[in-house]
Amino acid sequence: SQQGEEDPQALSIQEGENATMNCSYKTSINNLQWYRQNSGRGLVHLILIRSNEREKHSGRLRVTLDTSKKSSSLLITASRAADTASYFCATDAIETSGSRLTFGEGTQLTVNP
Amino acid sequence: NAGVTQTPKFQVLKTGQSMTLQCAQDMNHEYMSWYRQDPGMGLRLIHYSVGAGITDQGEVPNGYNVSRSTTEDFPLRLLSAAPSQTSVYFCASSYMDTIWTSGRWNEQFFGPGTRLTVL
Repeated sequence: SQQGEEDPQALSIQEGENATMNCSYKTSINNLQWYRQNSGRGLVHLILIRSNEREKHSGRLRVTLDTSKKSSSLLITASRAADTASYFCATDAIETSGSRLTFGEGTQLTVNP
Repeated sequence: NAGVTQTPKFQVLKTGQSMTLQCAQDMNHEYMSWYRQDPGMGLRLIHYSVGAGITDQGEVPNGYNVSRSTTEDFPLRLLSAAPSQTSVYFCASSYMDTIWTSGRWNEQFFGPGTRLTVL
């Protein structure tokens, strides 16, 4: 089963609005990462947040991590049409046999001009 | 730097055929991985390598072989293609970090993908 699950599965907003995507996971993690995938392309890394961090910023992106709730959120402020893409969270989960990087199923974001 | 390159971009195989998907990186990364992406299932790890000569299985390794003879290259071999292997395959690489401070898996650099269809 997937370690990380994104919510919502799809999100449609207007340009200039903020977009919030959530990720929940099941087991303890070393870090959590967010990636963007434009249609037909490879994934691009956005932000890595470690288990001992609570919030991280990168330009218009803000990521939070709540290890007590096993959840993370990605906020994109002042969205643009170019932000239209699928967004995935990936967890570096601590497992008995060593850690694994596990991806969720993604949130499809559409930003309408 | 070219980053992570994959060949071919598209491939059609018949059931039972074998082939090798190529992956190369020029960033001197220790870690390399292969994922497959299917609709509605995100990315699933097939095999990974933490350095030349070292490989390990991921979540869905059956039907695939890998080897890592050099730091740069990490080919994925399909031994006898099946329709269930129709998917988009991504290769990724990353650098090694201090294990006890941030875990083993750091920022992944992905290739553009190979779209494989097995008839």
